Amino acid sequence: DVKVTQSSRYLVKRTGEKVFLECVQDMDHENMFWYRQDPGLGLRLIYFSYDVKMKEKGDIPEGYSVSREKKERFSLILESASTNQTSMYLCASSLYQTSTDTQYFGPGTRLTVL
Amino acid sequence: GDSVTQMEGPVTLSEEAFLTINCTYTATGYPSLFWYVQYPGEGLQLLLKATKADDKGSNKGFEATYRKETTSFHLEKGSVQVSDSAVYFCALKDVRGSTLGRLYFGRGTQLTVWP
Repeated sequence: DVKVTQSSRYLVKRTGEKVFLECVQDMDHENMFWYRQDPGLGLRLIYFSYDVKMKEKGDIPEGYSVSREKKERFSLILESASTNQTSMYLCASSLYQTSTDTQYFGPGTRLTVL
Repeated sequence: GDSVTQMEGPVTLSEEAFLTINCTYTATGYPSLFWYVQYPGEGLQLLLKATKADDKGSNKGFEATYRKETTSFHLEKGSVQVSDSAVYFCALKDVRGSTLGRLYFGRGTQLTVWP
């Protein structure tokens, strides 16, 4: 089975802190994604990556950056956390970019910024 | 651009009731369509998918048929159980242009089933 793991289930940070969210997949997938999930808004794509060191902006990249130094690991970075970044963050991966390919999700990190 | 619209929740049903969650889409190409489910405290998992018009996806008693003429992919289950209580997301993927296979999600529908 595909396994996508995220470094923390719950995280509490202070405004202005630099925050790192880590995601690791164990199935040699090409593509990795970061979403945030907010009530009533569904999932919104922050960034995605289709190869090592490659990244593409999603719908809401402002205030975030990403890093993919190794194929299995995709990090989301909040350069200076703000209260409006309090949210559930979900990482996902998929093998290819074909239309039939399935995305597999991690359990999520619930981030609270005080 | 590509988008998904699904019925707003929450939806509350008694056990063994019939479930329909509506989903319609807008796409420029020929997308694949997905239903994902999120159980409390967990990430999303694929429930079912359909890759071309008139395909029916099915899993765990849930079904959805890809209707190109009505641009719809409604989720149905004949008899829901308490364990089906979750948030359901409709999504599409279209690999034309520069989308690079990303998913477009609806806003999610919370389903609660009472015994």
